[in-house]
Amino acid sequence: AQSVTQPDIHITVSEGASLELRCNYSYGATPYLFWYVQSPGQGLQLLLKYFSGDTLVQGIKGFEAEFKRSQSSFNLRKPSVHWSDAAEYFCAVGATGAGSYQLTFGKGTKLSVIP
Amino acid sequence: DGGITQSPKYLFRKEGQNVTLSCEQNLNHDAMYWYRQDPGQGLRLIYYSQIVNDFQKGDIAEGYSVSREKKESFPLTVTSAQKNPTAFYLCASRADYGNTIYFGEGSWLTVV
Repeated sequence: AQSVTQPDIHITVSEGASLELRCNYSYGATPYLFWYVQSPGQGLQLLLKYFSGDTLVQGIKGFEAEFKRSQSSFNLRKPSVHWSDAAEYFCAVGATGAGSYQLTFGKGTKLSVIP
Repeated sequence: DGGITQSPKYLFRKEGQNVTLSCEQNLNHDAMYWYRQDPGQGLRLIYYSQIVNDFQKGDIAEGYSVSREKKESFPLTVTSAQKNPTAFYLCASRADYGNTIYFGEGSWLTVV
């Protein structure tokens, strides 16, 4: 069965600083990988996804992520954080098992931004 | 606008009562999902449905029930058997040909 680990529960950065959120996955085949963002009390918004091809994927809001098969990682990055980026971020792996397609989520990383 | 609509946004329930959370999508998606979210727990799958009139239990189905009578609707009933129902509930859907799951805005359920 697949699993996702987000090692950092909470990260605080200053506005304008760079950001990297870590995600490690466990899955036997090439995974479908996702990053979602959640503002307080809201649903999840898709930031970006990786299915195949170029291992550096671009998403919305200036985010990007890099798939590294050798490290089983899919880290999310942003060169310059804005105060509006404060939210919780979830990494997920999609896979088909027992005839159904499902997402398995990490437990999330909460991002705080200092003005 | 196309999307996934959950209602109500906030719901209060007395212990011993069943409540039903609504989820409607106009994306023409085949698959629909219900997740539960608790602080620090991430998202856990309650039930999912790949086609009309068919649904499967997820990881934490005890105390919940669902129906899928129409393609666009996937209501979740939180029964009195659910021991700790206070949580944030998220409905989601996916096109049959796709691998991306899209989410609604969520519903807060509080037991009082």
